[in-house]
Order: sequence, then C-alpha cells, then structure tokens
Amino acid sequence: DQQVKQNSPSLSVQEGRISILNCDYTNSMFDYFLWYKKYPAEGPTFLISISSIKDKNEDGRFTVFLNKSAKHLSLHIVPSQPGDSAVYFCAACNFNKFYFGSGTKLNVKP
Amino acid sequence: GAVVSQHPSRVICKSGTSVKIECRSLDFQATTMFWYRQFPKQSLMLMATSNEGSKATYEQGVEKDKFLINHASLTLSTLTVTSAHPEDSSFYICSARELGTSTDTQYFGPGTRLTVL
Repeated sequence: DQQVKQNSPSLSVQEGRISILNCDYTNSMFDYFLWYKKYPAEGPTFLISISSIKDKNEDGRFTVFLNKSAKHLSLHIVPSQPGDSAVYFCAACNFNKFYFGSGTKLNVKP
Repeated sequence: GAVVSQHPSRVICKSGTSVKIECRSLDFQATTMFWYRQFPKQSLMLMATSNEGSKATYEQGVEKDKFLINHASLTLSTLTVTSAHPEDSSFYICSARELGTSTDTQYFGPGTRLTVL
C-alpha cells in the first residue's frame, strides 16, 4: 500500500508561469516532508523540505505548502524556468525512513 | 556538495548469477546508507537501511537472503543481488546520510540499472 501518492504523472507549464505539483499521504505519523528533483540518469537531489509543525516553507522560487488536515502537500515553482524540467518526487519521513511518491514529470516550455 | 557514486551504472546478467552494486560516499562519511528500488513509473521503494558496522534493517517484503547488504566502512555499502532472476530487473539507487547531519541531508547516487536475462 503506497503511503505517499503523486496522482499526476506529468505536468506541462509555460515558462514564467507557476508550476504546482501535488502530493498526498495517508500516514498521519509522518513528521517531515521533502521534495526531490531528478534528472535522467542522475539520482534525486534535495530541493526543499517542511516540518509537520509548519504549513509553509519558502526558498527562492520554491515554496512548499503543507495541509495536515487534508494530508496534502504541494510544491509551487514561480516563475517556472525551462531548467526546472525534471521529475519531482515528494517524500515523507517517519522514524528516519523515507517514503516516496511515484514522481511527476514537469515540462516547462520556453 | 556531497557526492555519492554507484558502480556499475548499468549491468546485464544471466539468470541465476549474482550481481554486486557498490555505493560510495566520495567526500563525506556516511553513518547510514539506504537502498531503494524503482520500477518504471513507480516510486522509489525503500529496501533496507544499513548502518556502518551493523546488520542492515530490511523493509517488510524484502528478502534479506536475496538482497545482501554490507556496510563495511563509513564510505562504502554494497548490495548483492543473489541468484538474480528477470523479476529482479530494476533501477537500484542508494543514498547516504552524512555523519551528524539532519534528516533531510540525504545524498543519492546516480543509480544502477540491472537487467537480468
């Protein structure tokens, strides 16, 4: 049973617009959430994280929102750039174990 | 930034053979290394957590005799797929957590594509 889900396998956005990637989870015990970015033939790289005690964390163009009651988090990228095109994984952490979503492939069109 | 390497990047083997995959932290010491498996269009699935000098902790459903993990030093962990079968074909990724760092400091290797004929 997958505890972290990314229901959109792909997303296409015009350069300069906002990209919103969504993630849902089922385990209320998760205490830390992360977003990773992955280019082909490379391992995932850490992008941004948020603790379960917060509802928003911002780092430059990237903002992660957490809605604990809905067990939902989202990653906002604004403005989107062509170099942001990659697969984005959300991950949830419980007792130092990470559970990943299946990824969303973002394509930012010039 | 911290670099994690994996070797080999790609391996093709015959059914019944064993394959060893190495995961190295190149410029930091990793007290904990994780092994993941990814099927096409699916999530990274945690297989096991290994701590230097101790036995690996396997996730439910992962056969420890099938997937042997050794974490002999603070910079090297190995995953051996024993008696590989076609259903073991997958993308295997390791990650390493740096000694003394927080939860989110986990660096991933580039992955190893295993194809079992």
